[in-house]
Amino acid sequence: SQQGEEDPQALSIQEGENATMNCSYKTSINNLQWYRQNSGRGLVHLILIRSNEREKHSGRLRVTLDTSKKSSSLLITASRAADTASYFCATGLGTDKLIFGTGTRLQVFP
Amino acid sequence: DTGVSQDPRHKITKRGQNVTFRCDPISEHNRLYWYRQTLGQGPEFLTYFQNEAQLEKSRLLSDRFSAERPKGSFSTLEIQRTEQGDSAMYLCASSPAGASGNTIYFGEGSWLTVV
Repeated sequence: SQQGEEDPQALSIQEGENATMNCSYKTSINNLQWYRQNSGRGLVHLILIRSNEREKHSGRLRVTLDTSKKSSSLLITASRAADTASYFCATGLGTDKLIFGTGTRLQVFP
Repeated sequence: DTGVSQDPRHKITKRGQNVTFRCDPISEHNRLYWYRQTLGQGPEFLTYFQNEAQLEKSRLLSDRFSAERPKGSFSTLEIQRTEQGDSAMYLCASSPAGASGNTIYFGEGSWLTVV
């Protein structure tokens, strides 16, 4: 079963704009990880944020985590056509596995 | 390349046949995971190993599915008597420890089409 729900399910923007994706989950977590998946390919790890952290940055990526609301957001700034992909959040539980959300499909137009 | 390696990348098989997928994790990663992903959905957990021990199996893993990691290095996922509903991408991943503290790295996946 899916743990997380990403919102929106699909997002279309122009190059240079920012893209924000949200993830909500249901149970307590140890960490939350964001992944990118290009069509037909495997998952590429983007960022891991632990439950005691509130914000992390990596290049053009900014992730926030609000454990009181059981939600996280991924912001991609100054988007590029190469950012076109599906983005998934995945929560790490005490059982040492990741449970994935349903994903956000991002389309960035040149 | 020292990433997670999966083989074959694509497999087309007739219903009722058996198929086997192989995964070579990142060296020295003692955790190995199998996931399944269908079109438009997120990956679903199937099973995971710590070294050679299979620690958890999802209810998704029917009796027709078996996974092994005999020497704590590479792993195989076998599907017996394939059904059309088994058509999916099978993803392997590895990590140096549990998901509670470490990044899990995925391979490129193995696509299965059952005709």
